[in-house]
Amino acid sequence: EAEVAQSPRYKITEKSQAVAFWCDPISGHATLYWYRQILGQGPELLVQFQDESVVDDSQLPKDRFSAERLKGVDSTLKIQPAELGDSAMYLCASSLAAGTGSYEQYFGPGTRLTVT
Amino acid sequence: GNSVTQMEGPVTLSEEAFLTINCTYTATGYPSLFWYVQYPGEGLQLLLKATKADDKGSNKGFEATYRKETTSFHLEKGSVQVSDSAVYFCARSGGGSEKLVFGKGTKLTVNP
Repeated sequence: EAEVAQSPRYKITEKSQAVAFWCDPISGHATLYWYRQILGQGPELLVQFQDESVVDDSQLPKDRFSAERLKGVDSTLKIQPAELGDSAMYLCASSLAAGTGSYEQYFGPGTRLTVT
Repeated sequence: GNSVTQMEGPVTLSEEAFLTINCTYTATGYPSLFWYVQYPGEGLQLLLKATKADDKGSNKGFEATYRKETTSFHLEKGSVQVSDSAVYFCARSGGGSEKLVFGKGTKLTVNP
């Protein structure tokens, strides 16, 4: 069964350092999402890609976060510099295509970031 | 605004008990509704979904019915098992946006 891959699974970094997360969506899925899940809360969307284009990055803290999906396949989310409040689970999800809203999203296992 | 409110946990039940986790939503348009489950240390898995009013989603003994008149999508299971212990998230999409808006999650613990 096809799955969304993410790496690393766990990352510990010191504040002010740079950190990057990688996501490989299910083959053929045009839409890719990055969510942030703070402990004890539901995930919140950071950025949505349709192929290589950003569709929604309204909740992405652009002063320190960046995301790219250069070839419309895998994606990288970067934080520079990391802050203590960035400690969270970062989830990647993919779906077939944006459209009616009925396409379910498939989630990867997440990257748990701890900033010290 | 567009939001999802689900009952706060944690919920602790004995095996074979009946489960209800309440979820209500606000949204413009006609959202699709989902329940996701998250087991410890894992990502989210889609449990069930409903895309229009009066639809019933079901999977693994869980059910939820899309109630437009009460803007609700309550999750139910007639007889829970220890293996159902997890965090359950209600979510909606659509209404002009593809992104999922999640509730805060309800942690369920089922004791033998």
